Amino acid sequence: NAGVTQTPKFQVLKTGQSMTLQCAQDMNHEYMSWYRQDPGMGLRLIHYSVGAGITDQGEVPNGYNVSRSTTEDFPLRLLSAAPSQTSVYFCASSWGPVIDTQYFGPGTRLTVL
Amino acid sequence: KQEVTQIPAALSVPEGENLVLNCSFTDSAIYNLQWFRQDPGKGLTSLLLIQSSQREQTSGRLNASLDKSSGRSTLYIAASQPGDSATYLCAVPPFPQGGSEKLVFGKGTKLTVNP
Repeated sequence: NAGVTQTPKFQVLKTGQSMTLQCAQDMNHEYMSWYRQDPGMGLRLIHYSVGAGITDQGEVPNGYNVSRSTTEDFPLRLLSAAPSQTSVYFCASSWGPVIDTQYFGPGTRLTVL
Repeated sequence: KQEVTQIPAALSVPEGENLVLNCSFTDSAIYNLQWFRQDPGKGLTSLLLIQSSQREQTSGRLNASLDKSSGRSTLYIAASQPGDSATYLCAVPPFPQGGSEKLVFGKGTKLTVNP
């Protein structure tokens, strides 16, 4: 199993550009999440999904879109990048809602100039 | 709203020392609590998950305890090694509206074990 994979590892964008951060898992997990990690702020939830076709907002959803057309993939779209979106982005997945461990990807380091 | 606090923010110890990392949470009605490890530039690795009905979980040199009534958890590391140097984070689901898909994290304790 590859676990949770994320691409790209690093990305530099200019303000106003759009891009998609890719996340995939091969563990047949129903639950997937996107977090951002910023110095002094810790990890904050952006969006999450409890199954294909079902997504919802987390704590900091503004400026981001998600969709979940398959169990395996959960891409995160930045519609119009802003410097405030400079961060490290982590994707995570788990079997189920309450009693399960979350598995994290290696992260994407995004810089918006 | 659930809030998670970890103190201290950083800790430096000599190799071989036993140490305790602290985690506190404001809403004691939690399903479980997880401890994670994060190495620099890497993702998070789950170390231990304690269910609300448990008081302790052990894995090798690691022991995590949970006291729901006081809103506290501790991670005990025995005989620390330089390879234990990392940031340790605790996280809880935001009862009652969700589970592992939307964890609330503390800001972590950065541990340095000096040879």
